[in-house]
Amino acid sequence: EDQVTQSPEALRLQEGESSSLNCSYTVSGLRGLFWYRQDPGKGPEFLFTLYSAGEEKEKERLKATLTKKESFLHITAPKPEDSASYLCAVLAGGYQKVTFGIGTKLQVIP
Amino acid sequence: ETGVTQTPRHLVMGMTNKKSLKCEQHLGHNAMYWYKQSAKKPLELMFVYSLEERVENNSVPSRFSPECPNSSHLFLHLHTLQPEDSALYLCASSPGSQGAGNTIYFGEGSWLTVV
Repeated sequence: EDQVTQSPEALRLQEGESSSLNCSYTVSGLRGLFWYRQDPGKGPEFLFTLYSAGEEKEKERLKATLTKKESFLHITAPKPEDSASYLCAVLAGGYQKVTFGIGTKLQVIP
Repeated sequence: ETGVTQTPRHLVMGMTNKKSLKCEQHLGHNAMYWYKQSAKKPLELMFVYSLEERVENNSVPSRFSPECPNSSHLFLHLHTLQPEDSALYLCASSPGSQGAGNTIYFGEGSWLTVV
């Protein structure tokens, strides 16, 4: 059974304090790994898709990386507006089945 | 206009009511989904509709009934729900049901409270 584990569950950072969120996965035949941002009471907003180990993608203060076992979402010099939950999900096998992690709730304090 | 639109955004219903959630996607995608999001749990896939197939999560109770009249519209019919069904219901779409790079795009969600 495919599994996605995100850590930490919650993270509190001072504004400007860089850190990383982790997404470890156990799947057979990874076809894609996705990162989403979710604000309270809203639907997840797509951030990145990574397809193969070694791949990296960036958007503003966010950078996502992928290895064969895990993905990291690096947040550089975060601002209070980066406060949100960040979800990781994997698409595996030849069947349309996306497995989500429980998310990391990030709070950035001014 | 957002790519995936859900109505209503908030719904309060009694356990004996019948209501429906509506979703429309403007992205030209071929697959649509219903997900359930409860506190401190991962998103749970309920139903998938695509050109190729309809997929159901066998653990979803029959009091939830999906309808997909075309590739742009999706409904979730609700009847005789239980308080534990209170959650955020998310509609989503993706380019197709198969293949790598099949990124899923979500709507804003419908908050359902069963009283």
